Amino acid sequence: AQKITQTQPGMFVQEKEAVTLDCTYDTSDPSYGLFWYKQPSSGEMIFLIYQGSYDQQNATEGRYSLNFQKARKSANLVISASQLGDSAMYFCAMRELAGGTSYGKLTFGQGTILTVHP
Amino acid sequence: DTGVSQDPRHKITKRGQNVTFRCDPISEHNRLYWYRQTLGQGPEFLTYFQNEAQLEKSRLLSDRFSAERPKGSFSTLEIQRTEQGDSAMYLCATSSNYGYTFGSGTRLTVV
Repeated sequence: AQKITQTQPGMFVQEKEAVTLDCTYDTSDPSYGLFWYKQPSSGEMIFLIYQGSYDQQNATEGRYSLNFQKARKSANLVISASQLGDSAMYFCAMRELAGGTSYGKLTFGQGTILTVHP
Repeated sequence: DTGVSQDPRHKITKRGQNVTFRCDPISEHNRLYWYRQTLGQGPEFLTYFQNEAQLEKSRLLSDRFSAERPKGSFSTLEIQRTEQGDSAMYLCATSSNYGYTFGSGTRLTVV
């Protein structure tokens, strides 16, 4: 069974600094996808970044980058130049891709609350 | 329509009552998922539709829960005889290839 672990219940960062949110995963499937979502207090899940298990390079999207270390089964999110609007809950999620009957459902971690201080 | 719409946004109900939530997906997305998120936790998968067919149900989906997606368009999630433990955010998500779009959710409070 898939499992996602986010060990940081809360993180604090100073505005304009960089912050890393940790995510480790466990799966026996060689094909999988890793996602990061942001959930502000309004409740909507906002897609940030995606990394496929066979992607050779780490994914980047603007201020977001994913530090993908396949052998260690970690997929940490790095937010550069933090902004006050980055304060939210952040979730790491995984989806199996090949075969099986997962039908593309996502398995989420417990989340990390990020607070950006001015 | 560029997003996934969920209605209502908030629902307060008395224990034992039935409630129904609606999800209107992005029109070209044939895959639809329901998730439940309790306070301080990540979303947990409930059920999956491909077009109108319900192809997977989680063990979390007890007999009191039923979901439908008639004609492969909007979907409804009904909870019968609600219990306080059903209080949660219910999220709908749709996907086409491998990207997902989530709705804003329906927050259910059972009193």
